[in-house]
Amino acid sequence: AQTVTQSQPEMSVQEAETVTLSCTYDTSESDYYLFWYKQPPSRQMILVIRQEAYKQQNATENRFSVNFQKAAKSFSLKISDSQLGDAAMYFCAYRSMKTSYDKVIFGPGTSLSVIP
Amino acid sequence: NAGVTQTPKFQVLKTGQSMTLQCAQDMNHNSMYWYRQDPGMGLRLIYYSASEGTTDKGEVPNGYNVSRLNKREFSLRLESAAPSQTSVYFCASNRPGGPRNSPLHFGNGTRLTVT
Repeated sequence: AQTVTQSQPEMSVQEAETVTLSCTYDTSESDYYLFWYKQPPSRQMILVIRQEAYKQQNATENRFSVNFQKAAKSFSLKISDSQLGDAAMYFCAYRSMKTSYDKVIFGPGTSLSVIP
Repeated sequence: NAGVTQTPKFQVLKTGQSMTLQCAQDMNHNSMYWYRQDPGMGLRLIYYSASEGTTDKGEVPNGYNVSRLNKREFSLRLESAAPSQTSVYFCASNRPGGPRNSPLHFGNGTRLTVT
């Protein structure tokens, strides 16, 4: 079974600085998808960025980018120019490409604080 | 454009009571999911339904039952609530036939407390 690990329960960053959140996963599959979700205090789950395992190029979305290392099974999220609104829980998630296995597995989350 | 609607938002139960959490989506999604969120454990999958009429267990199914009433609705039932089921519950759905990288669409969650 696939597992997702986030080794940093809490992180903090100064406003306007850069922070990297770590995620590792375990799978025997070669094709899959990876996601980062943000959960602010409102409890809403918001997709931040996604990465297809078959793509070598790292995904970017404005101030958010990933460092995808397939061989190392690592999928870290970099937030540049951090803003107060970035303070939230961040979850890494894995989705198999197998149509018979339509499950999305989440990591335990990292709580990010942004210091003014 | 409601998306995924969960009810209720909050609920307090006594041990042994039963209740059903309701979830409906208006996006014509095939796949629907129930997760529970506990501090330090992320979101754990309780049950999911790949299509109308089918359901399958996730990581933590014990103590729960589900019904995929139709394509829109996917309910979660606690037959005899226990304090260990105190949690925040999320319903989610996924776009059908689209790329497999399509993200989950989440409801706003139900905070359940069992005393």
